[in-house]
Amino acid sequence: SQTIHQWPATLVQPVGSPLSLECTVEGTSNPNLYWYRQAAGRGLQLLFYSVGIGQISSEVPQNLSASRPQDRQFILSSKKLLLSDSGFYLCAWARGGGEQYFGPGTRLTVT
Amino acid sequence: AQSVAQPEDQVNVAEGNPLTVKCTYSVSGNPYLFWYVQYPNRGLQFLLKYITGDNLVKGSYGFEAEFNKSQTSFHLKKPSALVSDSALYFCAVRRFYNNNDMRFGAGTRLTVKP
Repeated sequence: SQTIHQWPATLVQPVGSPLSLECTVEGTSNPNLYWYRQAAGRGLQLLFYSVGIGQISSEVPQNLSASRPQDRQFILSSKKLLLSDSGFYLCAWARGGGEQYFGPGTRLTVT
Repeated sequence: AQSVAQPEDQVNVAEGNPLTVKCTYSVSGNPYLFWYVQYPNRGLQFLLKYITGDNLVKGSYGFEAEFNKSQTSFHLKKPSALVSDSALYFCAVRRFYNNNDMRFGAGTRLTVKP
């Protein structure tokens, strides 16, 4: 069976500090991968998606970036965090055109 | 572009009563519709999907959803609610089979009271 991991689970970072969130998927190959942000426990905003190694599409302009160095690894980064980057970050994977499966999430608080 | 609307921020039902969580969608062409559930501080869990075929779709934990093309709706239902069903529910829509453009609703908080 497939599993998706995210770490860390929680993170508190000062404004202006760098960020690196990691997501890995087990039990499948060549998945589509996604980063979402959920603010205030409500709607999801798609940040990035990837259909293959090194292939990243950005949905919203902001100070975040994503990379996919390996088939089942997806990383969300920032060089300098803003207060507005606080939120719940969710990674998801999908096989082809199927439904998306989500990781447990990372709660980021920027102080 | 596609979109979904969940007209109710909050739904309250008594345990044992039927529940409905509403969702309407807007998309050009055939929609692909999904329901997800989220428990506090957790990721979303997939419940069910409509791709094609029968308008009544059955999913996990006794949930089902009815696709109504004329009303552009995809309401989530359960015949008998449990306290453990209390959570945040999201409807999502995708156009065609493009898996990279899924749009989520704002979510509906379901509270089941004992």
